[in-house]
Amino acid sequence: NAGVTQTPKFQVLKTGQSMTLQCAQDMNHEYMSWYRQDPGMGLRLIHYSVGAGITDQGEVPNGYNVSRSTTEDFPLRLLSAAPSQTSVYFCASRRDRRSTDTQYFGPGTRLTVL
Amino acid sequence: KQEVTQIPAALSVPEGENLVLNCSFTDSAIYNLQWFRQDPGKGLTSLLLIQSSQREQTSGRLNASLDKSSGRSTLYIAASQPGDSATYLCAVSSPQGGSEKLVFGKGTKLTVNP
Repeated sequence: NAGVTQTPKFQVLKTGQSMTLQCAQDMNHEYMSWYRQDPGMGLRLIHYSVGAGITDQGEVPNGYNVSRSTTEDFPLRLLSAAPSQTSVYFCASRRDRRSTDTQYFGPGTRLTVL
Repeated sequence: KQEVTQIPAALSVPEGENLVLNCSFTDSAIYNLQWFRQDPGKGLTSLLLIQSSQREQTSGRLNASLDKSSGRSTLYIAASQPGDSATYLCAVSSPQGGSEKLVFGKGTKLTVNP
């Protein structure tokens, strides 16, 4: 198993550009989520999905869109990038929405918005 | 609102020393508590997960305890090694609006000196 994979590893955008951060998992996990990690702020939940076709907002959803057309993939879209979105983005998955399961994290995408 | 605090923010110890990392949380209504390890530029790796009904979990040289009533958890690392150098994150799973939310602390950066 590759686990949770994320692409790209690094990205530089200009303000106003759009892009999609890719996330995939090969563990047949139902629950997937996106976090951002900022210095001094810890990890904060952006969006999550409890299964294909079902998504919901987390703590900091503004400026981001998600969709979940398959169990494996959970892309994160930035429609119009802003400098405040400069961060490290992590995708995570776990078997299902039951809170007793361990979460598996991807290696992260470092995004800089100029 | 659940808040998670980790003390100290940074810790430097000589190789071989036993050490304790602390995590506190404000709301005792939790599903579980997890300890993660994060290496520089990498994702998070789950170390230990303690269910709300449990008092401790052990894995190798690591032992995590949970005192839900006082809102505290500790991660004990025995016979520390330079390879243990990393940032250690505590995360609490709590109910929120019929769902579940994982709230992270800001981490303790551990340096083990040879």
